[in-house]
Amino acid sequence: QKEVEQNSGPLSVPEGAIASLNCTYSDRGSQSFFWYRQYSGKSPELIMSIYSNGDKEDGRFTAQLNKASQYVSLLIRDSQPSDSATYLCAVNMGVSSASKIIFGSGTRLSIRP
Amino acid sequence: SAVISQKPSRDICQRGTSLTIQCQVDSQVTMMFWYRQQPGQSLTLIATANQGSEATYESGFVIDKFPISRPNLTFSTLTVSNMSPEDSSIYLCSGAEGAYFTEAFFGQGTRLTVV
Repeated sequence: QKEVEQNSGPLSVPEGAIASLNCTYSDRGSQSFFWYRQYSGKSPELIMSIYSNGDKEDGRFTAQLNKASQYVSLLIRDSQPSDSATYLCAVNMGVSSASKIIFGSGTRLSIRP
Repeated sequence: SAVISQKPSRDICQRGTSLTIQCQVDSQVTMMFWYRQQPGQSLTLIATANQGSEATYESGFVIDKFPISRPNLTFSTLTVSNMSPEDSSIYLCSGAEGAYFTEAFFGQGTRLTVV
């Protein structure tokens, strides 16, 4: 089992709709979770981080965390063509100085006009 | 958020040689991570670098091949040693701060081609 799993996509969503991206992780002790967006040829950029169960909203983005199910998701409302990118789920695993951030394989999102 | 300057941004190297990649952060960070990203793939963690201690390597990566230095809280280097074409990839450094790594940010990446 991979430590962090995502559907690779591509996920195609019409402009203006809601895009839903999902991620599961294997380490039940993980404490913090991240969503990154990566455009082709660029470095990943942090969109959202979440640490507590429930929802966290930032503009058009909502991250959802369910630690019991070891599941984290990202919703993008009012999807725009500029949202077309690869979305990477990342999980902070380990404790203190042994912590490390592990990435999923990424989901390619395409917003069609 | 902090900014990481990574260099070189790209290089073409001969097989059998070594390349050292540098990352400079504009503020102190507890942890730095080195990743490799092969074309069309996600990020694979090479090692975690704490200041003043040996780097911790992930399975499949060894110190002789990827020696790392972390002399202070704002700087780290990764050397890719005795390179082969299979080492051609993008190498990324990342810094993270806080108990929960409230923000983990990236350098611009180094695109390495080994010929």
